[in-house]
Order: sequence, then C-alpha cells, then structure tokens
Amino acid sequence: GNSVTQMEGPVTLSEEAFLTINCTYTATGYPSLFWYVQYPGEGLQLLLKATKADDKGSNKGFEATYRKETTSFHLEKGSVQVSDSAVYFCALSDRSSGDKLTFGTGTRLAVRP
Amino acid sequence: DTGVSQDPRHKITKRGQNVTFRCDPISEHNRLYWYRQTLGQGPEFLTYFQNEAQLEKSRLLSDRFSAERPKGSFSTLEIQRTEQGDSAMYLCASSRDSPYEQYFGPGTRLTVT
Repeated sequence: GNSVTQMEGPVTLSEEAFLTINCTYTATGYPSLFWYVQYPGEGLQLLLKATKADDKGSNKGFEATYRKETTSFHLEKGSVQVSDSAVYFCALSDRSSGDKLTFGTGTRLAVRP
Repeated sequence: DTGVSQDPRHKITKRGQNVTFRCDPISEHNRLYWYRQTLGQGPEFLTYFQNEAQLEKSRLLSDRFSAERPKGSFSTLEIQRTEQGDSAMYLCASSRDSPYEQYFGPGTRLTVT
C-alpha cells in the first residue's frame, strides 16, 4: 500500500535560517505529491504540489522537487520567518485509489526571532 | 468561494452516545472526503463520495460509523455508541474530479468522556 515517511520534529530554527524537511514515499502507482501546512488554530492548507517526476512545486518561498529515483519530496525554504511556525505534512494521492490522501505524521517547525 | 465548513467545531459526549457531524463542501466540488486525525499524527482517510455515491470506505470505519451525502451537496458523518478511542479531529475535504487538490475544512474535534 501507499505510505509517507517524514522527519520527526520538532524542528527549531532561528529566523532567516535554511529549512529542509525530509519526506519519502512508497506508492504502487504514479502518485501526486503534496505539502500541507497547519498553522496554530487553523485547518490544513495546501502549500504546494507536484504531479509527476521532476516537477517542482513552489509557493511562499517554499519548494519541493518530485524525485522518482529516490522516492522523495523534500521541503525547502531558503530563509524562514517566525510566521512559518506551523506543522507541515507531506502527503500523496494516487488516482487509482480515488485520489484519497495518505499523510505523513507531520513535522512541527518553530522559528525563533 | 466560502470554503469548506464543518459543524460543530467541538463536541463533547459521553461514551455510548451517538454523534453526528456535518460538512458543507465548496459548492462546485463533486468529491467529498472524510479523514480522522489524532494528536501527533497525520490525517487518516475514512471515506469519500463522488456526488452522492460513497465510493470507498477505509477499514478504520467500523460498523458504528456511517456517512451520507444525500443530494451530492453536504455530508454527514454519524458515530453510534461512541467509545473513548473515537476521540479525534474529524476533517472534511472537497475537490473537483481528479486530479484536483483537496480543500480542507476546520475540522470537528470530538471528545468522548
């Protein structure tokens, strides 16, 4: 079956530091890959996505590249801000299974001023 | 676009009672998904609808759980004879047909005492 593994948190960084959150996946088909973010007290929001190998998703300074050879979709940002403090979820969906999302366990990011 | 709404936002119930949650998707979205999220975990798929048809149910969805989407618009999720293990955040998401991304509601937090 499908599964997503992401690095455990919490991750604590100083403002303007470089961020990487690792995500690897296992899928039987050709999945689409997503990063969702959950800010304190808010619902899940789509941050970025990639639908095929070598695609790069980007939004709000965050980037992730769909790497089929390493089955990875690592999230990166060059300079984090305090407002980026949130829980980040890596997820995949597979059209052959109704596009339901399979999520990782989430990584909490705390950015210090 | 008013987004996905869920009602109630919080529900506290005693073990053995029945509870029902409602989800109103984005109006032009014909797919509706239910997920469950426990503390420190990513959301887990429960079931999904294409219009009014329930197309898949997870093994997580025991016989005490039932979901409906009677006219292909809003959906309800009912839990009968609640147990403490049902305590979780219940999330609803909607999307257009594949391969569009899912938009999440704020969730209903259920506490079973």
